[in-house]
Amino acid sequence: NAGVMQNPRHLVRRRGQEARLRCSPMKGHSHVYWYRQLPEEGLKFMVYLQKENIIDESGMPKERFSAEFPKEGPSILRIQQVVRGDSAAYFCASSPGQPQDQPQHFGDGTRLSIL
Amino acid sequence: GESVGLHLPTLSVQEGDNSIINCAYSNSASDYFIWYKQESGKGPQFIIDIRSNMDKRQGQRVTVLLNKTVKHLSLQIAATQPGDSAVYFCAENVGNFNKFYFGSGTKLNVKP
Repeated sequence: NAGVMQNPRHLVRRRGQEARLRCSPMKGHSHVYWYRQLPEEGLKFMVYLQKENIIDESGMPKERFSAEFPKEGPSILRIQQVVRGDSAAYFCASSPGQPQDQPQHFGDGTRLSIL
Repeated sequence: GESVGLHLPTLSVQEGDNSIINCAYSNSASDYFIWYKQESGKGPQFIIDIRSNMDKRQGQRVTVLLNKTVKHLSLQIAATQPGDSAVYFCAENVGNFNKFYFGSGTKLNVKP
């Protein structure tokens, strides 16, 4: 029973390029969450999605960042025109959704480095 | 966002001893809490959770205590093993279960 799968594990981009991070939730999970983690810090919530819907994007920067969870395929976190400050580990988590009081299960993250 | 903080950034214990990791939270309305363990290069791994209608919950070698009066959460690990070395995060949720606020973490070092 595969867990949350994220790819790539490491991504290097130059300033101004685009970064695409992918997340496949656990089997049977319809809710996906993205978090960002800076070194020596906790995880910061970015966005919560269900299939084809963004439920809560209160943690997403207003510009350059977007997320989607299409009907088919993985969830995508997209960062346009990356800057050095975007360097971080990005984690995806998933949950069944119902009942709500269940923990989120995390993937092993994508480490994004901006040159 | 909410404030979830930890008292000790680093904790060193001897193998076989018990470990206690503490967490303070600021929102009295928080009603669901989770402890996660994060090893280097990996994602957070669920350890144990507790709801606000409880003050104690036990798992295998771990116990979580919740003191709502002082807004304090602790994780106790019995007979700490080298494999317990990791960063431990508490996370809180208020009202709904789609967004968790994480503390900054405590690094646990287990000395052989």
